[in-house]
Amino acid sequence: ETGVTQTPRHLVMGMTNKKSLKCEQHLGHNAMYWYKQSAKKPLELMFVYSLEERVENNSVPSRFSPECPNSSHLFLHLHTLQPEDSALYLCASSQGEGQRNEKLFFGSGTQLSVL
Amino acid sequence: AQKVTQAQTEISVVEKEDVTLDCVYETRDTTYYLFWYKQPPSGELVFLIRRNSFDEQNEISGRYSWNFQKSTSSFNFTITASQVVDSAVYFCALSEAGYGGATNKLIFGTGTLLAVQP
Repeated sequence: ETGVTQTPRHLVMGMTNKKSLKCEQHLGHNAMYWYKQSAKKPLELMFVYSLEERVENNSVPSRFSPECPNSSHLFLHLHTLQPEDSALYLCASSQGEGQRNEKLFFGSGTQLSVL
Repeated sequence: AQKVTQAQTEISVVEKEDVTLDCVYETRDTTYYLFWYKQPPSGELVFLIRRNSFDEQNEISGRYSWNFQKSTSSFNFTITASQVVDSAVYFCALSEAGYGGATNKLIFGTGTLLAVQP
Protein backbone atom coordinates (compact mmCIF):
# COMPACT_ATOMS: atom_id res chain seq x y z
CA GLU A 1 0.00 0.00 0.00
CA THR A 2 1.43 3.35 -1.02
CA GLY A 3 1.85 6.05 1.61
CA VAL A 4 -0.36 8.64 -0.10
CA THR A 5 -3.35 7.50 -2.14
CA GLN A 6 -5.36 9.69 -4.48
CA THR A 7 -8.68 8.95 -6.13
CA PRO A 8 -9.79 9.06 -8.83
CA ARG A 9 -6.69 8.73 -11.03
CA HIS A 10 -8.49 10.33 -13.96
CA LEU A 11 -11.47 12.67 -14.05
CA VAL A 12 -13.29 14.32 -16.92
CA MET A 13 -15.86 16.92 -16.06
CA GLY A 14 -17.92 19.62 -17.69
CA MET A 15 -17.69 23.22 -16.60
CA THR A 16 -20.98 23.03 -14.74
CA ASN A 17 -20.25 19.82 -12.84
CA LYS A 18 -19.33 19.44 -9.20
CA LYS A 19 -16.78 16.81 -8.29
CA SER A 20 -14.35 16.06 -5.50
CA LEU A 21 -10.79 14.76 -5.40
CA LYS A 22 -9.80 12.59 -2.47
CA CYS A 23 -6.44 12.08 -0.81
CA GLU A 24 -5.58 9.71 2.03
CA GLN A 25 -2.23 9.32 3.73
CA HIS A 26 -1.25 6.25 5.72
CA LEU A 27 1.96 7.66 7.16
CA GLY A 28 0.74 9.30 10.35
CA HIS A 29 1.76 12.71 9.05
CA ASN A 30 0.46 16.02 10.38
CA ALA A 31 0.53 18.23 7.28
CA MET A 32 -1.16 17.79 3.91
CA TYR A 33 -0.89 19.76 0.69
CA TRP A 34 -2.56 20.24 -2.68
CA TYR A 35 -0.36 21.06 -5.69
CA LYS A 36 -1.36 21.77 -9.29
CA GLN A 37 0.91 20.56 -12.09
CA SER A 38 0.24 22.05 -15.52
CA ALA A 39 2.19 21.24 -18.65
CA LYS A 40 5.41 23.25 -19.01
CA LYS A 41 4.87 25.07 -15.71
CA PRO A 42 6.36 24.57 -12.25
CA LEU A 43 4.29 22.83 -9.64
CA GLU A 44 2.04 25.36 -7.95
CA LEU A 45 1.19 25.12 -4.28
CA MET A 46 -2.54 25.53 -3.72
CA PHE A 47 -3.30 24.76 -0.08
CA VAL A 48 -1.55 23.59 3.07
CA TYR A 49 -3.20 22.02 6.09
CA SER A 50 -1.35 21.55 9.35
CA LEU A 51 -3.04 19.53 12.09
CA GLU A 52 -6.31 19.83 10.15
CA GLU A 53 -6.14 23.62 10.05
CA ARG A 54 -5.66 25.47 6.77
CA VAL A 55 -2.44 27.46 7.08
CA GLU A 56 -1.90 28.46 3.47
CA ASN A 57 -4.18 29.46 0.64
CA ASN A 58 -2.00 30.44 -2.26
CA SER A 59 -4.44 32.80 -4.00
CA VAL A 60 -6.50 29.96 -5.37
CA PRO A 61 -9.86 30.78 -7.03
CA SER A 62 -12.94 30.00 -4.96
CA ARG A 63 -14.07 27.36 -7.45
CA PHE A 64 -11.51 25.15 -5.65
CA SER A 65 -12.58 24.38 -2.11
CA PRO A 66 -10.40 22.20 0.16
CA GLU A 67 -11.56 20.18 3.13
CA CYS A 68 -9.50 18.36 5.75
CA PRO A 69 -11.80 16.40 8.09
CA ASN A 70 -8.88 14.73 9.89
CA SER A 71 -5.11 14.48 9.58
CA SER A 72 -5.34 11.45 7.26
CA HIS A 73 -7.80 12.77 4.69
CA LEU A 74 -7.82 15.74 2.36
CA PHE A 75 -10.41 16.64 -0.25
CA LEU A 76 -10.52 19.16 -3.06
CA HIS A 77 -14.05 20.10 -4.06
CA LEU A 78 -14.43 21.40 -7.59
CA HIS A 79 -17.28 23.42 -9.08
CA THR A 80 -17.78 25.51 -12.22
CA LEU A 81 -14.24 24.90 -13.38
CA GLN A 82 -12.67 26.35 -16.51
CA PRO A 83 -10.79 24.48 -19.25
CA GLU A 84 -7.53 26.07 -18.04
CA ASP A 85 -8.00 24.20 -14.76
CA SER A 86 -7.16 20.98 -16.58
CA ALA A 87 -4.00 19.66 -14.93
CA LEU A 88 -2.55 16.97 -12.70
CA TYR A 89 -3.55 17.60 -9.10
CA LEU A 90 -1.08 16.21 -6.62
CA CYS A 91 -1.61 15.61 -2.94
CA ALA A 92 1.31 15.42 -0.54
CA SER A 93 1.93 14.99 3.16
CA SER A 94 4.79 15.71 5.54
CA GLN A 95 5.60 14.43 8.98
CA GLY A 96 5.80 17.68 10.88
CA GLU A 97 3.46 20.62 10.94
CA GLY A 98 4.33 22.08 7.56
CA GLN A 99 7.77 23.44 8.39
CA ARG A 100 9.86 24.60 5.48
CA ASN A 101 12.54 21.93 5.80
CA GLU A 102 10.18 18.98 5.64
CA LYS A 103 10.32 16.50 2.82
CA LEU A 104 7.07 15.79 1.09
CA PHE A 105 5.52 12.44 0.24
CA PHE A 106 3.35 12.64 -2.87
CA GLY A 107 0.45 10.68 -4.26
CA SER A 108 0.22 9.71 -7.92
CA GLY A 109 -2.18 12.52 -8.68
CA THR A 110 -5.56 12.98 -10.32
CA GLN A 111 -5.40 13.90 -14.00
CA LEU A 112 -8.28 16.34 -14.46
CA SER A 113 -9.74 17.34 -17.82
CA VAL A 114 -12.34 20.09 -17.94
CA LEU A 115 -14.38 20.16 -21.13
CA ALA B 1 11.86 36.69 -4.93
CA GLN B 2 12.59 33.01 -4.86
CA LYS B 3 13.11 31.29 -8.17
CA VAL B 4 14.40 27.94 -9.40
CA THR B 5 15.65 27.53 -12.95
CA GLN B 6 16.15 24.21 -14.67
CA ALA B 7 17.32 25.28 -18.09
CA GLN B 8 17.42 21.76 -19.53
CA THR B 9 13.91 20.87 -20.62
CA GLU B 10 14.76 17.43 -21.98
CA ILE B 11 17.89 15.29 -21.99
CA SER B 12 18.35 12.02 -23.84
CA VAL B 13 21.25 9.70 -23.09
CA VAL B 14 22.16 6.13 -23.82
CA GLU B 15 22.31 3.65 -20.98
CA LYS B 16 25.57 3.71 -18.98
CA GLU B 17 26.30 7.32 -19.86
CA ASP B 18 26.75 9.84 -17.07
CA VAL B 19 24.34 12.77 -17.04
CA THR B 20 24.17 16.00 -15.06
CA LEU B 21 20.96 17.89 -14.41
CA ASP B 22 21.43 21.58 -13.72
CA CYS B 23 19.62 23.65 -11.11
CA VAL B 24 20.15 27.34 -10.41
CA TYR B 25 18.24 29.15 -7.68
CA GLU B 26 17.63 32.68 -6.49
CA THR B 27 16.87 33.69 -2.93
CA ARG B 28 17.59 36.61 -0.65
CA ASP B 29 17.62 34.45 2.45
CA THR B 30 20.80 33.17 4.06
CA THR B 31 18.99 30.13 5.43
CA TYR B 32 17.18 27.89 2.98
CA TYR B 33 16.76 24.29 1.88
CA LEU B 34 17.21 22.71 -1.52
CA PHE B 35 15.56 19.53 -2.71
CA TRP B 36 15.53 17.16 -5.65
CA TYR B 37 12.47 15.09 -6.49
CA LYS B 38 11.98 12.43 -9.16
CA GLN B 39 8.67 12.00 -10.99
CA PRO B 40 8.45 8.65 -12.83
CA PRO B 41 5.68 7.99 -15.37
CA SER B 42 3.41 6.77 -12.55
CA GLY B 43 3.07 10.39 -11.44
CA GLU B 44 4.07 10.57 -7.80
CA LEU B 45 7.06 12.72 -6.93
CA VAL B 46 9.69 10.85 -4.96
CA PHE B 47 12.04 12.67 -2.59
CA LEU B 48 15.73 12.22 -3.43
CA ILE B 49 17.71 14.65 -1.30
CA ARG B 50 17.51 17.70 0.96
CA ARG B 51 20.40 20.08 1.70
CA ASN B 52 20.46 23.12 3.93
CA SER B 53 22.25 26.28 2.92
CA PHE B 54 24.98 25.85 5.54
CA ASP B 55 26.06 22.44 4.37
CA GLU B 56 28.04 22.71 1.15
CA GLN B 57 29.50 19.23 1.24
CA ASN B 58 28.80 17.26 -1.87
CA GLU B 59 26.85 14.08 -1.36
CA ILE B 60 26.96 10.71 -3.05
CA SER B 61 24.31 8.03 -2.80
CA GLY B 62 25.02 5.06 -5.01
CA ARG B 63 24.94 6.26 -8.61
CA TYR B 64 23.56 9.64 -7.57
CA SER B 65 25.65 12.63 -6.54
CA TRP B 66 24.88 16.24 -5.83
CA ASN B 67 27.13 19.29 -6.20
CA PHE B 68 26.03 22.28 -4.12
CA GLN B 69 27.87 25.53 -4.84
CA LYS B 70 26.63 28.61 -3.03
CA SER B 71 28.99 30.87 -4.95
CA THR B 72 27.12 30.14 -8.17
CA SER B 73 23.71 29.40 -6.55
CA SER B 74 23.67 25.98 -8.11
CA PHE B 75 22.66 22.54 -6.91
CA ASN B 76 23.40 20.13 -9.73
CA PHE B 77 22.52 16.45 -9.81
CA THR B 78 24.63 13.79 -11.54
CA ILE B 79 23.59 10.25 -12.36
CA THR B 80 26.52 7.95 -13.06
CA ALA B 81 26.12 4.99 -15.38
CA SER B 82 22.51 5.84 -16.16
CA GLN B 83 19.89 3.11 -16.45
CA VAL B 84 16.55 2.93 -18.22
CA VAL B 85 14.81 3.03 -14.83
CA ASP B 86 16.26 6.51 -14.31
CA SER B 87 13.93 7.83 -17.03
CA ALA B 88 11.70 10.38 -15.32
CA VAL B 89 11.15 14.07 -14.80
CA TYR B 90 13.48 15.50 -12.18
CA PHE B 91 12.54 18.59 -10.18
CA CYS B 92 14.75 20.88 -8.19
CA ALA B 93 13.03 22.87 -5.44
CA LEU B 94 13.84 25.63 -2.98
CA SER B 95 12.34 26.29 0.44
CA GLU B 96 13.25 29.22 2.56
CA ALA B 97 13.48 28.45 6.28
CA GLY B 98 11.01 30.49 8.24
CA TYR B 99 10.71 30.74 11.97
CA GLY B 100 8.64 28.33 14.03
CA GLY B 101 5.35 27.63 12.33
CA ALA B 102 6.34 29.02 8.97
CA THR B 103 4.53 27.15 6.26
CA ASN B 104 6.27 24.82 3.85
CA LYS B 105 6.16 26.61 0.48
CA LEU B 106 8.43 24.76 -1.88
CA ILE B 107 9.26 26.60 -5.09
CA PHE B 108 9.78 24.11 -7.88
CA GLY B 109 11.63 24.43 -11.14
CA THR B 110 9.94 23.40 -14.37
CA GLY B 111 11.67 20.03 -14.34
CA THR B 112 14.02 18.18 -16.65
CA LEU B 113 12.74 15.18 -18.55
CA LEU B 114 15.46 12.55 -18.66
CA ALA B 115 15.13 9.78 -21.22
CA VAL B 116 17.60 6.93 -20.94
CA GLN B 117 17.69 4.81 -24.07
CA PRO B 118 18.69 1.13 -23.87
